[in-house]
Amino acid sequence: AQSVAQPEDQVNVAEGNPLTVKCTYSVSGNPYLFWYVQYPNRGLQFLLKYITGDNLVKGSYGFEAEFNKSQTSFHLKKPSALVSDSALYFCAVRDIRTGANNLFFGTGTRLTVIP
Amino acid sequence: ETGVTQTPRHLVMGMTNKKSLKCEQHLGHNAMYWYKQSAKKPLELMFVYSLEERVENNSVPSRFSPECPNSSHLFLHLHTLQPEDSALYLCASSQSRLNEQYFGPGTRLTVT
Repeated sequence: AQSVAQPEDQVNVAEGNPLTVKCTYSVSGNPYLFWYVQYPNRGLQFLLKYITGDNLVKGSYGFEAEFNKSQTSFHLKKPSALVSDSALYFCAVRDIRTGANNLFFGTGTRLTVIP
Repeated sequence: ETGVTQTPRHLVMGMTNKKSLKCEQHLGHNAMYWYKQSAKKPLELMFVYSLEERVENNSVPSRFSPECPNSSHLFLHLHTLQPEDSALYLCASSQSRLNEQYFGPGTRLTVT
């Protein structure tokens, strides 16, 4: 069965510092991995995805994520955090091998960037 | 904006009411989804439509009834809801079921 874990409910980082939001996944086959961001009173916005190829994926707003197969992780990173990055971040996975096309989401990590 | 709109944005209804949520996508996508978002829980996939045909129904109570009249519109009809159904209901669309999904802003539903 597919699952996603976001081990931190809350991450605080000072503006200008690098940020990391953690995600680990469990699938029986090869994963498609996604990151979404949700601002207050808004729906989820797609940030980036990993399907195949380079393990480092670059996405919107300067975010990137690194796929690590041995650690089954897909952590979201940004070199220098902005106050406007404060939001709720969701990791999601789809298991290619099972043929299931549904996304399984984590419980979300609230990122707060402190001025 | 993502190209997916939802109305109403807020809805308060009693347990005996009947109401409908509406979603419209302007992206030319072929798949549409309803999700339920509750605090501290993963997004729950409720229904999936692909090319206007329902392809997924994740054991959702019958008091929720979806309708997809065409590839651009999706409705969620609500009747005799329970207080635990209070949540943010999100609509999403994608080019195909393999592609990333684009979400609407959601409808905040409160059942009293």
